[in-house]
Amino acid sequence: DAGVTQSPTHLIKTRGQQVTLRCSPISGHKSVSWYQQVLGQGPQFIFQYYEKEERGRGNFPDRFSARQFPNYSSELNVNALLLGDSALYLCASSSPGLAVEQFFGPGTRLTVL
Amino acid sequence: DAKTTQPPSMDCAEGRAANLPCNHSTISGNEYVYWYRQIHSQGPQYIIHGLKNNETNEMASLIITEDRKSSTLILPHATLRDTAVYYCIVTRVNDMRFGAGTRLTVKP
Repeated sequence: DAGVTQSPTHLIKTRGQQVTLRCSPISGHKSVSWYQQVLGQGPQFIFQYYEKEERGRGNFPDRFSARQFPNYSSELNVNALLLGDSALYLCASSSPGLAVEQFFGPGTRLTVL
Repeated sequence: DAKTTQPPSMDCAEGRAANLPCNHSTISGNEYVYWYRQIHSQGPQYIIHGLKNNETNEMASLIITEDRKSSTLILPHATLRDTAVYYCIVTRVNDMRFGAGTRLTVKP
């Protein structure tokens, strides 16, 4: 079975631009979460979506938004990019239920110049 | 969610058990303890989780103290491939709040 997939693998943008990152969860998983990992730090929670509804939001500005589609795939959008948005963006999916494991994708490496 | 404290780094000899501690003194009764690890430049990998009983799977064992204020992840026979950053997370919902973790280096 395919794991969590993310696209693109790498991305280079300039300050002020907008970016869209994509995530496809494991088949049967209805929950998708997004994380930002800056070099040298642990992943920081951005959003969680379940059944197309936002279920949780981390401490990120409104420039960050996300959505989940009927097939449970998800997009993360970041507007007005800043140099500090350069990071590895990770997507994780999980099956329904409490206290379940999350399966992470390989991430998208975003570089803002 | 409860905050966790882990040592920043640890070394372990190959073939020996690696015992990684985590303090979570403010844990609530309905919060689970999760462990993930991250090998350089890869997405985090789930290891194990538990509520109050000790847990074991094919990768590791999780020992939670009776008062639930601390836990230990045990890798019974560490290999070079276990070199990674190990994260202890306490949460009652499915969003993982990662800290800085413990960088475990397994040495030959």
